[in-house]
Amino acid sequence: GAVVSQHPSRVICKSGTSVKIECRSLDFQATTMFWYRQFPKKSLMLMATSNEGSKATYEQGVEKDKFLINHASLTLSTLTVTSAHPEDSSFYICSAKTPGQGGHPAKNIQYFGAGTRLSVL
Amino acid sequence: DQQVKQNSPSLSVQEGRISILNCDYTNSMFDYFLWYKKYPAEGPTFLISISSIKDKNEDGRFTVFLNKSAKHLSLHIVPSQPGDSAVYFCAASAGSWGKLQFGAGTQVVVTP
Repeated sequence: GAVVSQHPSRVICKSGTSVKIECRSLDFQATTMFWYRQFPKKSLMLMATSNEGSKATYEQGVEKDKFLINHASLTLSTLTVTSAHPEDSSFYICSAKTPGQGGHPAKNIQYFGAGTRLSVL
Repeated sequence: DQQVKQNSPSLSVQEGRISILNCDYTNSMFDYFLWYKKYPAEGPTFLISISSIKDKNEDGRFTVFLNKSAKHLSLHIVPSQPGDSAVYFCAASAGSWGKLQFGAGTQVVVTP
């Protein structure tokens, strides 16, 4: 269980175009999804937290008009990189939380998609 | 400010031996810790976790140890296998809905 699908796995686009990345929870409903960016040999950097039916919460320094996040259903969140430029080239990964499992402290496990390699020419 | 630190960027270990990966954190509010394994061009895969009420959690070949007073946790893999070659990320969160803070990762290479 807890499978997260991310599509596309790789995209190459021209500078100035927009790219949409989809993240789906296949076998569970995810009220919260996360979007990360990873630079080479660096840690995962949280970009934003996406809650179903509400606006995403962006981390400091992340341009919300540049990285549009939509979480229209309990199983789908999308990240759109608008007017992409070469500096946006990176590995983008989404994750989703399973419903709380209780306990103290409650388990806080995120399950990740396979990631999207974005290359902007 | 890096709240989760993995000071060893790489680790090489012989097949059959023990791999020990270390992770330090600075935020005393962290109460849940996780290890993820990542292969190239793939997303991280959840491996094992531990809550602050425990000091050890074991799952097959993987054991995580937590030392709260030292703000340190470690992952032991024994015996190490070639398929364990990957990047391992340590992560921590505060509260059940807290954001995960990741370390920079440790590249493990298991040699035959």
